[in-house]
Amino acid sequence: AQTVTQSQPEMSVQEAETVTLSCTYDTSESDYYLFWYKQPPSRQMILVIRQEAYKQQNATENRFSVNFQKAAKSFSLKISDSQLGDAAMYFCAYRDSDKLIFGTGTRLQVFP
Amino acid sequence: EAGVVQSPRYKIIEKKQPVAFWCNPISGHNTLYWYRQNLGQGPELLIRYENEEAVDDSQLPKDRFSAERLKGVDSTLKIQPAELGDSAVYLCASSGNSDGNYGYTFGSGTRLTVV
Repeated sequence: AQTVTQSQPEMSVQEAETVTLSCTYDTSESDYYLFWYKQPPSRQMILVIRQEAYKQQNATENRFSVNFQKAAKSFSLKISDSQLGDAAMYFCAYRDSDKLIFGTGTRLQVFP
Repeated sequence: EAGVVQSPRYKIIEKKQPVAFWCNPISGHNTLYWYRQNLGQGPELLIRYENEEAVDDSQLPKDRFSAERLKGVDSTLKIQPAELGDSAVYLCASSGNSDGNYGYTFGSGTRLTVV
């Protein structure tokens, strides 16, 4: 069964600095999709970025980018120029047969 | 566009009482999901609908949980009777045809507290 592991329960970063959140996953598939979701206190899961496994190029969305290492089954999220509004829970997710499998999340604190 | 709408936002009930959650997905989205998120955990799928058909309910505790999606639009998730361990956030999400590869749109969830 596919699993997603986030080994950092909490991370902190100073405003305007860069932070990287880690995620590893386990799968025997060769083609799949990976996602990072942000969950603020409002509880709504907001899609941050997605990566298609067959694409070698790392996805980028404004200040958010990923480091996708398919062989290592690693999918980390880099947040550049961190802002106070980035503070939230971040979940890594793997798409398996039309359902998302989530990791346990990383709580990101941003200090001014 | 209103997004995925869920109600209520919060619900506190005594154990053994029934409770129901409602979800209105994005217009035109044929796939609807109910996820449960325990404290400190990521969401876990309870049930997935394709239109009005439940196509994956393997993780739904069928002895006390039930769900329906009338006319392939709105959906209701019910627990009867509720147990203390059912305290969690219940999230609804939806996606259109082939949109699943682009991620799903989630609602803000219902936080259930069973006392």
